[in-house]
Amino acid sequence: GQNIDQPTEMTATEGAIVQINCTYQTSGFNGLFWYQQHAGEAPTFLSYNVLDGLEEKGRFSSFLSRSKGYSYLLLKELQMKDSASYLCAVRALRGGATNKLIFGTGTLLAVQP
Amino acid sequence: DVKVTQSSRYLVKRTGEKVFLECVQDMDHENMFWYRQDPGLGLRLIYFSYDVKMKEKGDIPEGYSVSREKKERFSLILESASTNQTSMYLCASTSSHSNQPQHFGDGTRLSIL
Repeated sequence: GQNIDQPTEMTATEGAIVQINCTYQTSGFNGLFWYQQHAGEAPTFLSYNVLDGLEEKGRFSSFLSRSKGYSYLLLKELQMKDSASYLCAVRALRGGATNKLIFGTGTLLAVQP
Repeated sequence: DVKVTQSSRYLVKRTGEKVFLECVQDMDHENMFWYRQDPGLGLRLIYFSYDVKMKEKGDIPEGYSVSREKKERFSLILESASTNQTSMYLCASTSSHSNQPQHFGDGTRLSIL
């Protein structure tokens, strides 16, 4: 079956670094996305990985290991506004359109002063 | 910038009513998606469309139908609303290129009484 696991909740301190992990088991793999979702708002795109390694984008970085079915999102210099849910989503290879995503249930990050 | 617009932010309907949720995107995207988001369950795909008049069932299509008469518009229809369809509904769109993220609308919080 298709399964994506990420921690339900995490807490971190302003100015610190936090790593949010995501493991996946899917029938095929064609890319992994990270989204940020503030309460009551739409998910917004953060990062995309399709090859192994680290992608850096300012304070946010995302890592992928396809052989381990593992990704993480790294947030540096945490700010209060980073308090949000972080969604891991995998594009698995299925019959028909290949742009469908399978979403994890999200990790709710609380940044404390 | 991609704009995905959902017709209502909040909607209250009664059991048994036929409910229409509308979604419009302005980027000429081929693919459009309807999700519902519930606490602890994450984003679940209801239906998607990869071209005008084309539709495919997602993971939870029961009780829903869709319509894609024009490329920019994708409608979700609840044929006979039930209380278990109370949820946040999110529309998304993306191009056919595999490395492009899905862009989400602001969501419709639907309550069925």
